[in-house]
Amino acid sequence: GAVVSQHPSRVICKSGTSVKIECRSLDFQATTMFWYRQFPKQSLMLMATSNEGSKATYEQGVEKDKFLINHASLTLSTLTVTSAHPEDSSFYICSARRTMGGEQYFGPGTRLTVT
Amino acid sequence: RKEVEQDPGPFNVPEGATVAFNCTYSNSASQSFFWYRQDCRKEPKLLMSVYSSGNEDGRFTAQLNRASQYISLLIRDSKLSDSATYLCVVKSTSGGSNYKLTFGKGTLLTVNP
Repeated sequence: GAVVSQHPSRVICKSGTSVKIECRSLDFQATTMFWYRQFPKQSLMLMATSNEGSKATYEQGVEKDKFLINHASLTLSTLTVTSAHPEDSSFYICSARRTMGGEQYFGPGTRLTVT
Repeated sequence: RKEVEQDPGPFNVPEGATVAFNCTYSNSASQSFFWYRQDCRKEPKLLMSVYSSGNEDGRFTAQLNRASQYISLLIRDSKLSDSATYLCVVKSTSGGSNYKLTFGKGTLLTVNP
């Protein structure tokens, strides 16, 4: 199957700082990338959908000014958590899709801990 | 009502047991259905798609009942390596030609020696 990478795999940061997470499709061009968040013992929750070259579409309740998404190329999307707080500590997972309606391939996730 | 609801679990079974997971979904316009497995602190991985006619992949059998909006997964002759969280996933349109995946909370399965 297709490969999606995320970097970093885990990050610890202080409250108030910003953290950038990268998601790359390694062997295909991703027209659409998705960002999910998963709290312990909870389901994956879709945060936003981004199409290359256009603004991300955020799910209800997700602050677009706090979670900045950039999808500047067909192989890279970034999620920046701005002014992180302890309640933002979570497992952030991206996924990428090659074509409309195609299968989503998930990255290995980034574990964010805000102290 | 949550969009996708699963058995809360956890399930603890001995090796060789048969175990069944249930899932219901609320959006009658949902188009496709899947079971994913997620190991601890890892990303979810597609286990199998679920078709109306029911489908089987080795020891795994998935069933879909669109009328009652119900999906199931049966694992026969369970192995230690089947220990994981099983996620029921529903695909539905999210405007235009876009779609989104909605995940259930997952059911934790532990297979014991």
